[in-house]
Amino acid sequence: GAVVSQHPSRVICKSGTSVKIECRSLDFQATTMFWYRQFPKKSLMLMATSNEGSKATYEQGVEKDKFLINHASLTLSTLTVTSAHPEDSSFYICSARKGPSYNEQFFGPGTRLTVL
Amino acid sequence: AQSVTQPDIHITVSEGASLELRCNYSYGATPYLFWYVQSPGQGLQLLLKYFSGDTLVQGIKGFEAEFKRSQSSFNLRKPSVHWSDAAEYFCAVGYDKVIFGPGTSLSVIP
Repeated sequence: GAVVSQHPSRVICKSGTSVKIECRSLDFQATTMFWYRQFPKKSLMLMATSNEGSKATYEQGVEKDKFLINHASLTLSTLTVTSAHPEDSSFYICSARKGPSYNEQFFGPGTRLTVL
Repeated sequence: AQSVTQPDIHITVSEGASLELRCNYSYGATPYLFWYVQSPGQGLQLLLKYFSGDTLVQGIKGFEAEFKRSQSSFNLRKPSVHWSDAAEYFCAVGYDKVIFGPGTSLSVIP
């Protein structure tokens, strides 16, 4: 099957610092990767879509300068939360898809970010 | 506006009973339709998907879903629930971008 990993699984940081979260497709090349944010007992909110070698496309209301996304290779995308604040605390989930839009997205296990 | 609704926030069923989780969507055209399950500490897992063709879709773990165009619905069903089915279930729709519904939390009574 297709496996997507995220690292770290949990991170705690101080307010004002930056945090990088990695998303890797382990056994396939992902033409498109997605980043979601999930609040407690809430649904997934799409933050941005990234294609390898291109700039990410952010959803309305998502600050691109705060949530930096890099999709440098077909197996790796990173999300950097810059100058994190307590309100950025959340569960961040990535997904990866190979090929066209009707293909399945494979989800990573998520990263729990806590900003103190 | 595009949206997905799952009217039931939480459902409790007895093990062995049948299950139906509701999903309605609002979209410009018939989108691709998905059901995902999220267990604690696990990533989302695709249960089934509908792109076209037969409106009754079979998925993994004994789940099935029926697409009804006239009702803009894609309800998930299982004839006999197992305790291990307790989880959060998300309906999702879209093409390049997928919109998730708010989720239905399923509890199973032994």
